[in-house]
Amino acid sequence: DTAVSQTPKYLVTQMGNDKSIKCEQNLGHDTMYWYKQDSKKFLKIMFSYNNKELIINETVPNRFSPKSPDKAHLNLHINSLELGDSAVYFCASSQDVRWWDTQYFGPGTRLTVL
Amino acid sequence: AQTVTQSQPEMSVQEAETVTLSCTYDTSESDYYLFWYKQPPSRQMILVIRQEAYKQQNATENRFSVNFQKAAKSFSLKISDSQLGDAAMYFCAYRHNQGGKLIFGQGTELSVKP
Repeated sequence: DTAVSQTPKYLVTQMGNDKSIKCEQNLGHDTMYWYKQDSKKFLKIMFSYNNKELIINETVPNRFSPKSPDKAHLNLHINSLELGDSAVYFCASSQDVRWWDTQYFGPGTRLTVL
Repeated sequence: AQTVTQSQPEMSVQEAETVTLSCTYDTSESDYYLFWYKQPPSRQMILVIRQEAYKQQNATENRFSVNFQKAAKSFSLKISDSQLGDAAMYFCAYRHNQGGKLIFGQGTELSVKP
């Protein structure tokens, strides 16, 4: 069984559209994250949720809205997509926010905005 | 703010040889964790090894070991008996005790020559 899964793995869309990426973890973890990997492969945190509550929002444009319906899911909705949103988006989870907890990553979603 | 620097964008090693990837970081905290993640062409992020800052003993995982120098804020990864499957992008990451986010370095692309 996949520990952290994301759908879709590839997403190609036009500028101005709205799209969602779904993430699910079956590890029983309390904390989930979204990271963005840009074209230079630099990874940066976007959001973090602990027990369905937002705990990190790294100055991400408000076109990005994470939603956590339960502890096992953290979806990312993006409104009015722009060319600069093209990137690979990774979901991750950890047992808790404790600094010693290892984060496990999903396979990533490659978003291409045309 | 904490920063992580990987000064080697690319490295190359002969199969069966040893290679060391460098990482330095900047923090004013005393308690934190350091990680090395591997990202092969499949783009899956795979945890290679982790080090607790309060432990003086360097972590080892089979062919992978670290040289952790806390005073120098240095955290290098040594890969022994390199294999073709080790070819990947390697990321050094720092995690502090506030919110649990990972701060990544720029990555080092490792190629393994047969």
